[in-house]
Order: sequence, then C-alpha cells, then structure tokens
Amino acid sequence: QVQLVESGGGMVQPGKSLRLSCAVSGLKFRNYGMHWVRQAPGKGLEWVSFIRHDDSNRWYGDSAKGRFTVSRDNSRNMVFLQLTSLRAEDSAVYYCATDRDDHYFDHWGQGTLVTVSS
Amino acid sequence: QSALTQPASVSGSPGQSIAISCTGTGSDLGDYKYVSWYQQHPGKAPKLIIYDVSNRPSGVSDRFSGSKSGNTASLTISGLQAEDEANYYCLSYTTTNTRVFGGGTRLTVL
Repeated sequence: QVQLVESGGGMVQPGKSLRLSCAVSGLKFRNYGMHWVRQAPGKGLEWVSFIRHDDSNRWYGDSAKGRFTVSRDNSRNMVFLQLTSLRAEDSAVYYCATDRDDHYFDHWGQGTLVTVSS
Repeated sequence: QSALTQPASVSGSPGQSIAISCTGTGSDLGDYKYVSWYQQHPGKAPKLIIYDVSNRPSGVSDRFSGSKSGNTASLTISGLQAEDEANYYCLSYTTTNTRVFGGGTRLTVL
C-alpha cells in the first residue's frame, strides 16, 4: 500500500525558514517524480514545485521561485521542501504527491500545516 | 501562471447529473491532453478521479467521466449521491513544464 507522510510543519515567524519532509513507502520511490502542493485555509489547491525522479530537473510555481527549494534523497525514499523568507501568505497545508508520467498526481499525503505568524 | 477557470459552485439533486467546466488557454489545457480531476472532502487530502482527460483510476465509480474540447475540459458526475458533495479541482500540464490547478468548484447535493 502506497503511503506518503509529510512532516516538519508548525508555527514560524515571518522571515524565518522551515524544512518540510515527505516520507514515501509502498512503491519504487526512485522511479517517481514528486510534487508539492499547498492549500491556504479555506482556499483552493496551488501547485508549488516538482522534482524529477532522478533530480535532473526541478520546477517551481511563481510563489515559490527564489524562496523555496525542493530536493530528494532516493536512498531514504524522501522528498523535501525548504521554505525560506516565509510570509503570512505562505500559511497553508502543504501536501506531497507522486507524479505519474508528467500527467497527473496519483498518490497524496495527508499534509502538514505551516502557519506563518508573529 | 493564472489558475484555470472553474465555476465557484454547482448543485444538483440526488440522481441528477451535473457538469463542472475548467477553462484554460493555449499554454495549458488547449495544448495538452494532460488534464486531471481531483475530489477533496473537507479536511481530507485530494483524490484523483480522472486522468488524461477521460480515464478513471481503478476503484473510481463510472459515474465520473471527463471530456475536453479546445481550451475547456469538463467533469460530469451522473446519478448524484450525497457522498459526491465535495470540492473538485482540475489540473493541467503547461508549456513551461509547470502545473496549474483550477480555482476549485464546490458541489452541493441538495
């Protein structure tokens, strides 16, 4: 059974940093690209970032460019999202999801909540 | 990248059919058949219900179907059931290798 478990969320002050983790099990992790998606309270889904299965390429949404960095460790079956220079508008539940053929996201974690507040 | 355009809300009675539209541009929906749809119940993670315009993952009811014409994709739910009440999001691949979601549609089963 495929399982994705996010961690690392919490409350942080504006301007600070946070590192989110996503542990994946139940599939051959090194064969899958991984996405990060976020959802602000009461709002819709926003695509954040994508990293290829072999880390050959990384892409970011406009809100993440220059501040967020995606990475992965295929030996530990994990993907990470480093958040820096955090703003109140970055407050959201952050989900990781597996990529299938660049076409869609077939498995999702339950999310980790990030709250940016002074 | 602007979000794909979805109606904010739709509603229907049990047993009826409803359709949710998702409109993009030539840089995303119009150029690719990589449109997918996700169902999200409150407090839960999204769930894939349609991929590549009209394909259903294993285990998803055949009451859910998808289509696409030009820059607009559509999700149709037939035989509405109370459990279908949720938020629905479309997703598209884009010409810049990024992804873009629709703004989401709240489905109310009356």
